Order: sequence, then C-alpha cells, then structure tokens
Amino acid sequence: EVQLVESGGGLVQPGRSLRLSCAASGFTFGDYAMSWVRQAPGKGLEWVCFIRSKPYGGTTECAASVKGRFTISRDDSKSIAYLQMNSLKTEDTAVYYCALHSDIYMPRFDYWGQGTLVTVSS
Amino acid sequence: EIAMTQSPATLSVSPGERATLSCRASQSVSSNLAWYQQKPGQAPRLLIYSASIRARATRIPARFSGSGSGTEFTLTISSLQSEDFAVYYCQQYNNWPLTFGGGTKVEIK
Repeated sequence: EVQLVESGGGLVQPGRSLRLSCAASGFTFGDYAMSWVRQAPGKGLEWVCFIRSKPYGGTTECAASVKGRFTISRDDSKSIAYLQMNSLKTEDTAVYYCALHSDIYMPRFDYWGQGTLVTVSS
Repeated sequence: EIAMTQSPATLSVSPGERATLSCRASQSVSSNLAWYQQKPGQAPRLLIYSASIRARATRIPARFSGSGSGTEFTLTISSLQSEDFAVYYCQQYNNWPLTFGGGTKVEIK
C-alpha cells in the first residue's frame, strides 16, 4: 500500500527557512516522480514543485510563485522527498501535501499524503 | 499559464440525484485532465484521469464518470451518496505549470 507521510511543518517567522520531508513506502520510490502541492486555509489547491525520477534526469519544475525561494529534492536511498523553503512569506501559509505521480509523462497526482501545516507569521 | 475555471462554485443536490460539475480550460489541454475529491480535513483523492469515463482511479465507484476534451470537461456523479458530499477539483497536466480549478462544493440540498 502506498504511504506518504509529511513532516517538518510548524510556525516560522517571515524571511526564515523551513524544510519539509515526505517519507514514502509501499512502492519503489526511485522509479517515480513526486510533487508538493499546497492549500492555504479555506482556499483551493496550488501545485508548488515537481521532481522527476533519476532515470529521467531528476530535473525539477516549480511554480512561479515559489521559484528562486523553494527547492525540491529527493533521496532515493531513504525514499524521502524534500521541500526546502527559503525567504518565507506570510502568503506561504498553507497545508503542504506531497504527492506521487504514477506516470511521468502525465503528471496527475495519483496518491497524496495527509499534509503538514506551515504557518508563516511574526 | 492555463487557467482552469469550475462551475458552479456550489451545487446543492439531494441524495440519489445526479450531479454534473463543469471545468473549463483557458486553452486546449487535450484529454489531460484529472478530477479530485476532497472532504473536510482530508487530503484530496484522485477520482478520474484522462477525462475519460473509463479512466477511474483505483477503487473509485462506477457512479463517477468524466467526459470532455480540449477546453470543456464534465464530472458526473450518477446518484449521489452521503459520502460524495465534498469539494471537487479539476487539474490539467497538459502544460507546465500544473494548474487546478477553484473547486466545486457539492452540498446536501
């Protein structure tokens, strides 16, 4: 059974950094692309960043709203995806979900974790 | 960026009735569209992909079906059950950045 467990959320001041982790199990992590998606309180879903599997170059894509501030990475030996968030802004406050893409060419979000809340406030 | 617009924002339906949700893309996304269901306090769940009636995700009941291509898409729930009252999102995966619609809340009438 696919399981994705996020951690690392919490309260952080504007301008500071935070790193989120997504621990995966139930599948061969290194074979699949992963993403982070966020949801601000009471709002809709916003895709954040995507990382391809190593056989496809391990390259990344990120939304314009976070480009230059957020970085997605992966450690296939530990089956963990990361989201490094720098220069955080109040508008980054959201629940952050990690998600698995079963098809690298058709990046729908097949499986989701339960999310971790990030609150950016002074 | 492809903008996704869902309508209506809220849909009031009685249990057992049919619900039809719409999603429009600002430019063609071919059939590269997915639908998700989200209940309060839970993560979203993939329902339909490839905007196709046959492309239901694992363990999704047959009362959920999708149709459309290009810019106009529809999610139909043939006979609403109590567990179907939730928010539904569409998402295009034809182009970067990946984008979602604003959601349709299906509530009990």
